[in-house]
Amino acid sequence: DTAVSQTPKYLVTQMGNDKSIKCEQNLGHDTMYWYKQDSKKFLKIMFSYNNKELIINETVPNRFSPKSPDKAHLNLHINSLELGDSAVYFCASSLHPQGNNSPLHFGNGTRLTVT
Amino acid sequence: DQQVKQNSPSLSVQEGRISILNCDYTNSMFDYFLWYKKYPAEGPTFLISISSIKDKNEDGRFTVFLNKSAKHLSLHIVPSQPGDSAVYFCAAFSGYSTLTFGKGTMLLVSP
Repeated sequence: DTAVSQTPKYLVTQMGNDKSIKCEQNLGHDTMYWYKQDSKKFLKIMFSYNNKELIINETVPNRFSPKSPDKAHLNLHINSLELGDSAVYFCASSLHPQGNNSPLHFGNGTRLTVT
Repeated sequence: DQQVKQNSPSLSVQEGRISILNCDYTNSMFDYFLWYKKYPAEGPTFLISISSIKDKNEDGRFTVFLNKSAKHLSLHIVPSQPGDSAVYFCAAFSGYSTLTFGKGTMLLVSP
């Protein structure tokens, strides 16, 4: 009965490959997010979708493409992986777009290692 | 440009004592602040929040204090328990910015 689940938990791949991370939430939330935690431990937002519509798109390379088939799912596809993409990627959801009464619920993260 | 700073990477406290985790911010537009707690191999979980119109919010053993003039907030945990050992992230946002996280402070509560 995990609220926000993302797969895989670990992903090891070589430079130049294309990979996807999947995320699903069963909380009935309208808004979903992808965050990246880099080696310096900062959690930075990458994308946010509200009811399948993109509402936040931070400065992220075009190699990263989110897709939201429905409001319960937000997948992240990464093309031509680079060493610098190695990080932990967290999916999250909230009832509404960021607001006072809408804290984020995070998944357990996907540790991506690019060799 | 770190808009939310947690200058202490780690903090060690004995069980039963008070834990005080600090957070400073630079963006005066921030009007809502949150603390998240993270265990290893798990995602952060929401702990407590405070609006800029308040200076204190309490929830059980957890209290967050906000000093707007100093652009400083702190999380107090009393009494601290071994299960509180985790990384604590401070975060802030406004209507003009997305949620911005600090780097986190690792709290270790020893029995």
